Amino acid sequence: EAGVAQSPRYKIIEKRQSVAFWCNPISGHATLYWYQQILGQGPKLLIQFQNNGVVDDSQLPKDRFSAERLKGVDSTLKIQPAKLEDSAVYLCASSLALSTDTQYFGPGTRLTVL
Amino acid sequence: SQQGEEDPQALSIQEGENATMNCSYKTSINNLQWYRQNSGRGLVHLILIRSNEREKHSGRLRVTLDTSKKSSSLLITASRAADTASYFCATRGGQGAQKLVFGQGTRLTINP
Repeated sequence: EAGVAQSPRYKIIEKRQSVAFWCNPISGHATLYWYQQILGQGPKLLIQFQNNGVVDDSQLPKDRFSAERLKGVDSTLKIQPAKLEDSAVYLCASSLALSTDTQYFGPGTRLTVL
Repeated sequence: SQQGEEDPQALSIQEGENATMNCSYKTSINNLQWYRQNSGRGLVHLILIRSNEREKHSGRLRVTLDTSKKSSSLLITASRAADTASYFCATRGGQGAQKLVFGQGTRLTINP
């Protein structure tokens, strides 16, 4: 079974630039999550989708971050404009359903904002 | 905000020894999970313990949960070099709370 795919693996940008991350969840998984993991900390949930609908985006900085999952499969997370404090690893995860406890994580995208 | 507080933040032991990591949390939970993260890789789910369970085993892993103290521990027995990683506890809240909230993690180093 293929795991959660993410691209790119690494990205370096300058502040005020924009960046987008892509995630392809495990086939058949209805729930998709984006996490931000700052160095030395645990992952923090940014947004959670059930199919193509948003379940929880309470910790998403909506003035600069946006995410979509238009067809209920792949998802993109965008930052525009980026700030220095956005430097982190962005992890995508998926689970079979909202009620499913186990989440499967992708390798992450390491973002460096200069 | 992060619910879990893990202790210690870093742990270094010799191969073959046992490693114990602790996690404390603040609010009521439905379940508590432990994840491992190797350097440069994503998180891998290790074990889940529900709020009505007190102890669970999986291979060399033993997890305990004390809901009265709002704490959990992860024991790795007979450690191996491959166990070197960061370990995170994550809590899933009570009824209606779907979000998984992670602690800040324990960095475990196994010395050969």
